[in-house]
Amino acid sequence: DTGVSQDPRHKITKRGQNVTFRCDPISEHNRLYWYRQTLGQGPEFLTYFQNEAQLEKSRLLSDRFSAERPKGSFSTLEIQRTEQGDSAMYLCASSLEGLLQETQYFGPGTRLLVL
Amino acid sequence: GQQVMQIPQYQHVQEGEDFTTYCNSSTTLSNIQWYKQRPGGHPVFLIQLVKSGEVKKQKRLTFQFGEAKKNSSLHITATQTTDVGTYFCAGTQGAQKLVFGQGTRLTINP
Repeated sequence: DTGVSQDPRHKITKRGQNVTFRCDPISEHNRLYWYRQTLGQGPEFLTYFQNEAQLEKSRLLSDRFSAERPKGSFSTLEIQRTEQGDSAMYLCASSLEGLLQETQYFGPGTRLLVL
Repeated sequence: GQQVMQIPQYQHVQEGEDFTTYCNSSTTLSNIQWYKQRPGGHPVFLIQLVKSGEVKKQKRLTFQFGEAKKNSSLHITATQTTDVGTYFCAGTQGAQKLVFGQGTRLTINP
């Protein structure tokens, strides 16, 4: 499968615990995005990387959230001291930088439940 | 900031009926993309529109981008049960991030 992959697919944790999610983009894609989706809503942008550089972060991304893409390939999203409000689907997408048309391809997501 | 509104929120049709969802942006968009998300699934890319007034077709699906590049629509002719899901529009305004509408959830009575 040459699409975007995410791990784990599901995570249940207790409030206050830290969690880390991984995203492996499509291999030749240099841009990687993280979105969060809650039930009945569209995905909301969290942050994006171009190669290893984190170029934009949403105000939704509190200090408890950190994302990395150390070698410009896979990325990790860590949530520290999880809260029940963090329960959501965390989606990763990747794209190849283009002049006019740039399509973002989404992974299957990591569904987080904070108890 | 940029906002993308999508209506209706829900649409239930009989199989064979047509379906349309509308998307409106508070600001002029660089391009608009449409995604379909099946229940329990992730957004799957359908199409991207870039030019003012652009119309693109994919079999029974017709996508339009408004002249002012602030609105878009997706029309499905003669719906089939495989069309069930939530359809999202997502716009960009120069920046790389996608701003999604709330989606239109389509259910179909066979």
